[in-house]
Amino acid sequence: QVHLVQSGAEVKKPGASVKVSCSASGYIFTDYVIQWVRQAPGQRLEWMGWINVGNGNTKYSQKFQGRVTFTRDTSASTAYMEVSSLRSEDTAVYYCARSQNVLTGYSPLDPWGQGTLVTVSS
Amino acid sequence: DIQMTQSPSSLSASVRDRVTITCQASQDISNHLNWYQQKPGKAPKLLIYDASNLETGVPSRFSGSGSGTDFSFTISSLQPEDIATYYCQQYDNLPFTFGPGTKVDIK
Repeated sequence: QVHLVQSGAEVKKPGASVKVSCSASGYIFTDYVIQWVRQAPGQRLEWMGWINVGNGNTKYSQKFQGRVTFTRDTSASTAYMEVSSLRSEDTAVYYCARSQNVLTGYSPLDPWGQGTLVTVSS
Repeated sequence: DIQMTQSPSSLSASVRDRVTITCQASQDISNHLNWYQQKPGKAPKLLIYDASNLETGVPSRFSGSGSGTDFSFTISSLQPEDIATYYCQQYDNLPFTFGPGTKVDIK
């Protein structure tokens, strides 16, 4: 069974960075794109971008370009998302999700990780 | 960016009622439209992909239709376990965008 397990909740001060991990199991890790979506309290889901874990290519939403970095460790079947220069508006639950279709980011998202709450507060 | 709107923002219905949610895209997205269910404190779950395809394992009371800019999502017989917020999402153009969600409750 396909599973994505994310790292635990984080509390950070404004200006700091946070790195969230997404550990995959139950499928060939390098065959699928991992995408990142966040949800601020009471807000709609917001797509952040993706990483093709096979070749390392990334695509970022323009909103997050330059402040967000996606990486992966294929030996550990784990993807990472790092957000720098955190501000209070970055307080949200961050989700990783796998593309449903092989080798493309243009795909429905299924399954999703359980989410990681990142709180930015002084 | 493609703007996604949903209607209604919330609804309250009785068990076994038929419930319909609509989703509109600001431009033609063909059938590149998905529907997700999100229960409180949980991650979203894919229910319908490509506008009308039922994800494996999802009960057949859920269905979707539409293409272009106008889409709908239906629960044919509402069950207590369907209490959740439902989101549409387009994946035709980057950045992918979600609707604001429709909160479904039991009357």
